[in-house]
Amino acid sequence: DTGVSQDPRHKITKRGQNVTFRCDPISEHNRLYWYRQTLGQGPEFLTYFQNEAQLEKSRLLSDRFSAERPKGSFSTLEIQRTEQGDSAMYLCASSLVNNSPLHFGNGTRLTVT
Amino acid sequence: EDQVTQSPEALRLQEGESSSLNCSYTVSGLRGLFWYRQDPGKGPEFLFTLYSAGEEKEKERLKATLTKKESFLHITAPKPEDSATYLCAVQVGAGSYQLTFGKGTKLSVIP
Repeated sequence: DTGVSQDPRHKITKRGQNVTFRCDPISEHNRLYWYRQTLGQGPEFLTYFQNEAQLEKSRLLSDRFSAERPKGSFSTLEIQRTEQGDSAMYLCASSLVNNSPLHFGNGTRLTVT
Repeated sequence: EDQVTQSPEALRLQEGESSSLNCSYTVSGLRGLFWYRQDPGKGPEFLFTLYSAGEEKEKERLKATLTKKESFLHITAPKPEDSATYLCAVQVGAGSYQLTFGKGTKLSVIP
């Protein structure tokens, strides 16, 4: 399967700890997106990369969140000093060109205790 | 502020009972409207993109339509495997790459 891959699938952490998630997009896709989804809500945009450049960030993305995409391939999303409000599903998506559909991974479910 | 509202929040249908899901939007400069299906514990799966009023797309038992203010997802003779949450999203404005999603409609099809 050559879809979007996310790791880990689940992460449980204690408040105040740092966590890092990884996303491997579809190989020929140069655009990569991070979204966050809480129960009963649609996904909310966090940030967008075109190749290795981070071109757009949501106001939701506090300074505890940082995303990288070295060499324009895989991406990481790090959350520092986690809070209970950070508990959510973190979704990664990739696409080929603008206006083309986003292909989502199955997400990383974060639980902060 | 761009808004996407989906209705109903939840819908229960008997197998074979056709119905429609609604997605209404108030945005400036719509560039595209997207429908996704999401199964529990999984990421959204792309269904359709619509770009202009009057456009229609079909796939198996699903048909999506678009007007200037709303989109409908028509489900004809649904089967239990169509049970899922259906999400609508819009892409707006030049220079922005983000999608704004509605909260979804949870569809249950009873055998």
